[in-house]
Amino acid sequence: NAGVTQTPKFRILKIGQSMTLQCAQDMNHNYMYWYRQDPGMGLKLIYYSVGAGITDKGEVPNGYNVSRSTTEDFPLRLELAAPSQTSVYFCASSFKQFSGANVLTFGAGSRLTVL
Amino acid sequence: QKEVEQNSGPLSVPEGAIASLNCTYSDRGSQSFFWYRQYSGKSPELIMSIYSNGDKEDGRFTAQLNKASQYVSLLIRDSQPSDSATYLCAVPNRDDKIIFGKGTRLHILP
Repeated sequence: NAGVTQTPKFRILKIGQSMTLQCAQDMNHNYMYWYRQDPGMGLKLIYYSVGAGITDKGEVPNGYNVSRSTTEDFPLRLELAAPSQTSVYFCASSFKQFSGANVLTFGAGSRLTVL
Repeated sequence: QKEVEQNSGPLSVPEGAIASLNCTYSDRGSQSFFWYRQYSGKSPELIMSIYSNGDKEDGRFTAQLNKASQYVSLLIRDSQPSDSATYLCAVPNRDDKIIFGKGTRLHILP
């Protein structure tokens, strides 16, 4: 099992460019999440999905888009990159148990710099 | 009020002492609570989960939950230098949004 795989690990973008951060999981998890983490800060939820075809906004969705066409993949699209989007992005997945427990498995992260 | 609040620290604790980390949350409907540990440059990893009022112990770690006060804490006994990390409190709300606090940086002094 690879777990949660994020690509790319590092990327430098120019202001106004667009790109997609890829996230794939092979654990058949129904829930997937995208977070960003600014230096010295906690994780801020960007978007999340409770299953294929279903997505919802998190705390900081502006400037981002997502799709969930399959259970395995949850790409994050950045349109018109801005310096404020410089951050480390983490994708995570989970299987919500009958008890309600929802434990996240994280990818290794993608470090994005916008210049 | 922010949904999940933590003291950002840094919290400095001598080796062998007890480290106490605190977290408050705003959604009274939350039913599960998690502590993740994050080493510098790495991804968060789960260390404790708690669902019922009271204490839950796992090795040197104890999670404490008080739903009436909307308060969850993490105690680390016999603190080791390897415990130096950022500890993140995570609380799922009723819509399955999992909200994290800012994290508390813990530094264990040798």
